[in-house]
Amino acid sequence: EAQVTQNPRYLITVTGKKLTVTCSQNMNHEYMSWYRQDPGLGLRQIYYSMNVEVTDKGDVPEGYKVSRKEKRNFPLILESPSPNQTSLYFCASSLFGTDLAFFGQGTRLTVV
Amino acid sequence: EDQVTQSPEALRLQEGESSSLNCSYTVSGLRGLFWYRQDPGKGPEFLFTLYSAGEEKEKERLKATLTKKESFLHITAPKPEDSATYLCAVQAVGNFNKFYFGSGTKLNVKP
Repeated sequence: EAQVTQNPRYLITVTGKKLTVTCSQNMNHEYMSWYRQDPGLGLRQIYYSMNVEVTDKGDVPEGYKVSRKEKRNFPLILESPSPNQTSLYFCASSLFGTDLAFFGQGTRLTVV
Repeated sequence: EDQVTQSPEALRLQEGESSSLNCSYTVSGLRGLFWYRQDPGKGPEFLFTLYSAGEEKEKERLKATLTKKESFLHITAPKPEDSATYLCAVQAVGNFNKFYFGSGTKLNVKP
């Protein structure tokens, strides 16, 4: 089954403790991206990747890092999380970035 | 600046009562407009892509249309299972790696 898998689904952490949210797709897609969703603000793009070793900033990249060492994986790294990064995070992928058809199930992150 | 605005924020309908959701956009050049359905606690589910003014797409009780400045998602004779948040997003010609989302319309269909 074609899917985008995120882990963990839920995470509560403390300010400053580094964490990684994983994202994996099984469709051999070139394009992957990360979004955060906050009430009233919609989905905002954090980072995207056009291919292995090719990443670029979205609209809200501050406080986040990404890497794309393999085509299937696109982890989101928060090196020093802060409470304003409490949000619902989604990973998405598509074949070449011409659409955005597949989303993961989401990761609800709480930073206290 | 590329921008997407959805209205209304919330919509309550009786089962069978048809209505439309609006997505207005401002982009330098539209490459594509996308509609999604999102259920609580889940990721967005892709519904439609529209590329040019005048284009229409249909799926069951949903029909999406596109003009040069906005898109409508028409819901005909909705059922309670159509209750969800509907999101639209745009992709600009000059910046096709980025997708800009509206904040969504939360639809509640009462039996």
